[in-house]
Parts: sequence; C-alpha cells; structure tokens
Amino acid sequence: AQSVAQPEDQVNVAEGNPLTVKCTYSVSGNPYLFWYVQYPNRGLQFLLKYITGDNLVKGSYGFEAEFNKSQTSFHLKKPSALVSDSALYFCAVRDPMEYGNKLVFGAGTILRVKS
Amino acid sequence: DSGVTQTPKHLITATGQRVTLRCSPRSGDLSVYWYQQSLDQGLQFLIQYYNGEERAKGNILERFSAQQFPDLHSELNLSSLELGDSALYFCASTGLAGGTGELFFGEGSRLTVL
Repeated sequence: AQSVAQPEDQVNVAEGNPLTVKCTYSVSGNPYLFWYVQYPNRGLQFLLKYITGDNLVKGSYGFEAEFNKSQTSFHLKKPSALVSDSALYFCAVRDPMEYGNKLVFGAGTILRVKS
Repeated sequence: DSGVTQTPKHLITATGQRVTLRCSPRSGDLSVYWYQQSLDQGLQFLIQYYNGEERAKGNILERFSAQQFPDLHSELNLSSLELGDSALYFCASTGLAGGTGELFFGEGSRLTVL
C-alpha cells in the first residue's frame, strides 16, 4: 500500500527567503504525486502534481516541486516566501496500479512565514 | 471555488444520533471521494464512488455508509455517532480518467458530536 511521510510538523521561514516543505513516499510502482494547501476552515486546494516527464514541476502561486525517484522524495519549494503562504500543506500519492485511484495524504506540514 | 458543494457546513448533534452529509461534485465529474480530517488521524480516505458504483473503500467504519445517486451527488450517512466521530468531512471529485487527475475538494462539513 502506498504511504506518504512529511517529516516536519512545522516549517518556519522569514518572508523573502526560500522555503522547502519535505515529502517522501512509498509506492509499489511509479507514483503520481500531488501537493495541496489548506487555509483555516477551508477545503484543500490543489497546487501541483507530478505524473511523468520533467522532474521539476511548476504549480500555482509560484510553487514548484522536484521529483526524485532515487530518494523517493517530492519536496515542495518556493524561491521567495510570502506571509500569505502561511498555511497547512499536504503531500499526497496515488498508486496508478491500485484500483480506485484514491489519494493517500501525509500528515501535513504547517508553514509559518514571518515578516 | 472548486465547484464541489457540501452541505451542511456545520452540524452539531448528540451521541447515538444519525446524520447525513451531502456532496454535489463538479459538473461532469463521475468520481466522488469522501475523506475524514481529524487532529489525531489526519486526512483519512473513507470511500470512493464512480458513476454510482462503489470503487474503493478505506478506513470507513461499519456505522458509516455512503452512496452515489444517478444525478451523481453523493451522501455520507453516519449513525450511532460517538464523540470520536467529531471531525471535518470532505468530499472531493475528479473527472480525468486513468488516475492522473487531481481531486477537487469541497469546503467540508464540520461535525461536532456532544
């Protein structure tokens, strides 16, 4: 069964600095990987996904993520953080070999960007 | 706005009661997923329907059931409620075939069991 680990409960970064939110995954075959963001009392919003192709994926709001197959990682990055980026971030994986196509989510990482 | 509509947004009820949560997927999406979000369990997949049929089942309790109707809306029924069932319940939908599509989430239904 597929699984996702987000090793940091919280990441703190100063506004204007680069940010990284870490994610590692476990899946039997080639993974489909996703990042979502959740603001307080809101639903999850899709940021970006990796299906195949270029290992560097660009998404919404200036975020990008790098797929690294050898390290089974899919870290979320942004060159310059904004205070408005403060939110809860989820990494998710789908095993394309599994019937049903459900997404399995990590525990989430709180990102705090301070001005 | 994701296009996924969930009602009610908030629900407060007592232990032992039964509630129904409703979800309307994005127009044209055939797949509906239900997730439970709680502080201790995180985001847990409950169940998926595709065009009216159950497609996958996750950590869904026997006291919970769901269905998807011909108009593609879905309902999640929670019965014999316990304090531990208090959580945010999300519905999500997707329309792309082959599993490459992202899920679009509703705003959730917050259930409080007293």
